[in-house]
Amino acid sequence: QQQVKQSPQSLIVQKGGISIINCAYENTAFDYFPWYQQFPGKGPALLIAIRPDVSEKKEGRFTISFNKSAKQFSLHIMDSQPGDSATYFCAAAGNMLTFGGGTRLMVKP
Amino acid sequence: NAGVTQTPKFQVLKTGQSMTLQCAQDMNHEYMSWYRQDPGMGLRLIHYSVGAGITDQGEVPNGYNVSRSTTEDFPLRLLSAAPSQTSVYFCASRDRVGYRDEQFFGPGTRLTVL
Repeated sequence: QQQVKQSPQSLIVQKGGISIINCAYENTAFDYFPWYQQFPGKGPALLIAIRPDVSEKKEGRFTISFNKSAKQFSLHIMDSQPGDSATYFCAAAGNMLTFGGGTRLMVKP
Repeated sequence: NAGVTQTPKFQVLKTGQSMTLQCAQDMNHEYMSWYRQDPGMGLRLIHYSVGAGITDQGEVPNGYNVSRSTTEDFPLRLLSAAPSQTSVYFCASRDRVGYRDEQFFGPGTRLTVL
């Protein structure tokens, strides 16, 4: 049973566009929601994270929107660039970190 | 700091063989974990440890053993390799201090079981 569901599995966006990736979780005990970015041949690396006491967090072109009542959160990448092409994972954390299935983003020049 | 290191980077095994994937971190993190990554399945937790001498099972522990004798090392043992264990394996250590919570991943081991 997948506790964190992520969509879409793949996404193609034009340079300068907005990339949106969505995640939903089930366990209300989760208290930390990070996003990880993974380039081919590398391990994932932390991109941005949010705790459920706020509804939005922005770092540069990356924004997390968090809806606690709906148990959903999303990553928005503004002004998407070809260098953003990577796989993105949402996650939810309590004692363990549980990952979504990943989204492969391709930003076309 | 080397961060999280994993060896080997690549490995080919025959069905039934056993092997150990090595993982070490030099950041003095208490929390370490092993994941496997398969296409479309994301990162699935195999085993994790919250400190030396303490380990627990994750989502997909069958066929794998771990031990944590020191803070630095967290090896993953495949007892009798099966083709279903063909995957990319990532070790990670987690920094949880106060409000900070970040998991650092190693470069991965690509394992093929024939």
